[in-house]
Amino acid sequence: GAVVSQHPSRVICKSGTSVKIECRSLDFQATTMFWYRQFPKQSLMLMATSNEGSKATYEQGVEKDKFLINHASLTLSTLTVTSAHPEDSSFYICSARVVGGATYEQYFGPGTRLTVT
Amino acid sequence: AQSVTQLGSHVSVSEGALVLLRCNYSSSVPPYLFWYVQYPNQGLQLLLKYTTGATLVKGINGFEAEFKKSETSFHLTKPSAHMSDAAEYFCAVSEASGTYKYIFGTGTRLKVLA
Repeated sequence: GAVVSQHPSRVICKSGTSVKIECRSLDFQATTMFWYRQFPKQSLMLMATSNEGSKATYEQGVEKDKFLINHASLTLSTLTVTSAHPEDSSFYICSARVVGGATYEQYFGPGTRLTVT
Repeated sequence: AQSVTQLGSHVSVSEGALVLLRCNYSSSVPPYLFWYVQYPNQGLQLLLKYTTGATLVKGINGFEAEFKKSETSFHLTKPSAHMSDAAEYFCAVSEASGTYKYIFGTGTRLKVLA
């Protein structure tokens, strides 16, 4: 149980284009989803927290107009990287918190590798 | 602000030897604590967690960790390393209130030598 999927697993896009990454909770409903970014050989940095039907809360230093987060349902959150640039190339990982579950518990997706050329 | 320190970005052990990965956190209130493992180009897999209760926590793949409040530590150990243990390990903390968001340590890359 508590499986989180991400799509796509890898994406290559040209500089200046936008790319959307989906995060789905497959067998549970998620009150809250989190988006992380991981640069090569570095740790995970929380980008934003999204709650279903609400605006996302972004961490300090994260451009909300560049990284658009939509959490339209209890099983789906999307991250759109707008006007992508090579420096946005990274590994993006989402996680989800179960409705009615332990507040400290997050279930992680497999990640999406974004390469901007 | 909450922070997590993992001493040693790279640790090498011989196969069969003890694995010890260190994690210290800063918090005036005992947080929730986690260890995750990450294999190349993959997501995170939960090894174990401490929430409340027994301070010695056993996880998957023979790993265990002990929560020591006085030392603000949550070190990860495994008695005998296996080649398949080679991976990146992350310690994370979640505050026990508020948003419960995770703060990750910088990670420790474990290398197992034959």
